[in-house]
Amino acid sequence: EPEVTQTPSHQVTQMGQEVILRCVPISNHLYFYWYRQILGQKVEFLVSFYNNEISEKSEIFDDQFSVERPDGSNFTLKIRSTKLEDSAMYFCASSERVAEAFFGQGTRLTVV
Amino acid sequence: GEDVEQSLFLSVREGDSSVINCTYTDSSSTYLYWYKQEPGAGLQLLTYIFSNMDMKQDQRLTVLLNKKDKHLSLRIADTQTGDSAIYFCAVYFVTAGNKLTFGGGTRVLVKP
Repeated sequence: EPEVTQTPSHQVTQMGQEVILRCVPISNHLYFYWYRQILGQKVEFLVSFYNNEISEKSEIFDDQFSVERPDGSNFTLKIRSTKLEDSAMYFCASSERVAEAFFGQGTRLTVV
Repeated sequence: GEDVEQSLFLSVREGDSSVINCTYTDSSSTYLYWYKQEPGAGLQLLTYIFSNMDMKQDQRLTVLLNKKDKHLSLRIADTQTGDSAIYFCAVYFVTAGNKLTFGGGTRVLVKP
């Protein structure tokens, strides 16, 4: 069964460093998303991406964040200068059409 | 604004039925989802229902939607120990754009 894959599963980084979280969406899907879940809080939407551009972003997704689809298969989330409060589980998702998103296993980001 | 709420915890005996409840605020919902998260794993799409339906059954899972009360439930028949997980209700609100709004999750503990 096709699935969304994310790497790495766990990333530890120092405050101020740049991190790139990687995702391989399901191959025939057109919509791509990043969500995050801070420990003990709800899963929150960050950004959606369609047709090689951001279609929506939340207030959380400020200038420190960027997304890219560098080739036909990968979808990345970059955090330029990490802060302690960026520590969270980051989920990538993809969907063939609007809604019905399939999620990856998540990347746990720990900023120290 | 759009909000989704769930009870925090449910304990159930193996073999009994579990009912997990979810309420939401906005009547512009179109798709309503249930995701399952096992320890250390990602968000697994279990089932979903369109807002023009009242009920959907899928093997041991029954989803009930009461649009008047903005109430969604997931019933798991013959609950097994492997059903122990966190269950997330998520709603796609038309007014919120192409993203899911998640509840806080219900932790289900199945006792033998």
